[in-house]
Amino acid sequence: AQSVTQLGSHVSVSEGALVLLRCNYSSSVPPYLFWYVQYPNQGLQLLLKYTSAATLVKGINGFEAEFKKSETSFHLTKPSAHMSDAAEYFCAVSESSGQNFVFGPGTRLSVLP
Amino acid sequence: EPEVTQTPSHQVTQMGQEVILRCVPISNHLYFYWYRQILGQKVEFLVSFYNNEISEKSEIFDDQFSVERPDGSNFTLKIRSTKLEDSAMYFCASSEVVRGGELFFGEGSRLTVL
Repeated sequence: AQSVTQLGSHVSVSEGALVLLRCNYSSSVPPYLFWYVQYPNQGLQLLLKYTSAATLVKGINGFEAEFKKSETSFHLTKPSAHMSDAAEYFCAVSESSGQNFVFGPGTRLSVLP
Repeated sequence: EPEVTQTPSHQVTQMGQEVILRCVPISNHLYFYWYRQILGQKVEFLVSFYNNEISEKSEIFDDQFSVERPDGSNFTLKIRSTKLEDSAMYFCASSEVVRGGELFFGEGSRLTVL
């Protein structure tokens, strides 16, 4: 069965600094990987997804993530944080043989002025 | 842009009461899901639904829960006899394809059980 870990339940960065949110997964079959963002009192919005094409995936709002099979990682990055990036970020994995997504525990990103 | 809509946005109920949460998935999607998020915790899979039947369900989805697609547009989650620990945000999602496709989530229905 697949699982997801996200290192750091809370990450704080200064405005303009690099954002790095970590995600590691375990899966017995080739996975599909996703990053979702949740703003306060809102639903989950897709940032980007990896589905076995290019290993470097670009998403919305300047975010990107790199799939590294050898490290079983799919870390999310953004070169320069903006105040509006403050939110909860969830990494999710879906196995190619299965249907349901499994979400990581989430990382709350705070952006300091 | 098409979206998943959920009603109600917030429901308060007494323990032991039945609750129905409603969802309207994106119209051309074929796969439907319910997830829940207890306050401050991770998003947990409850159930997936395709072709008018449950295709997968988690351990959380016990006999107190049921899902139904009563017509061509709605997808409902029923909790037969609510418990305090059912208090959570419930998210409906739909997808166009079963593998590799993104899930489109609704805004969620917050259930508070007193």
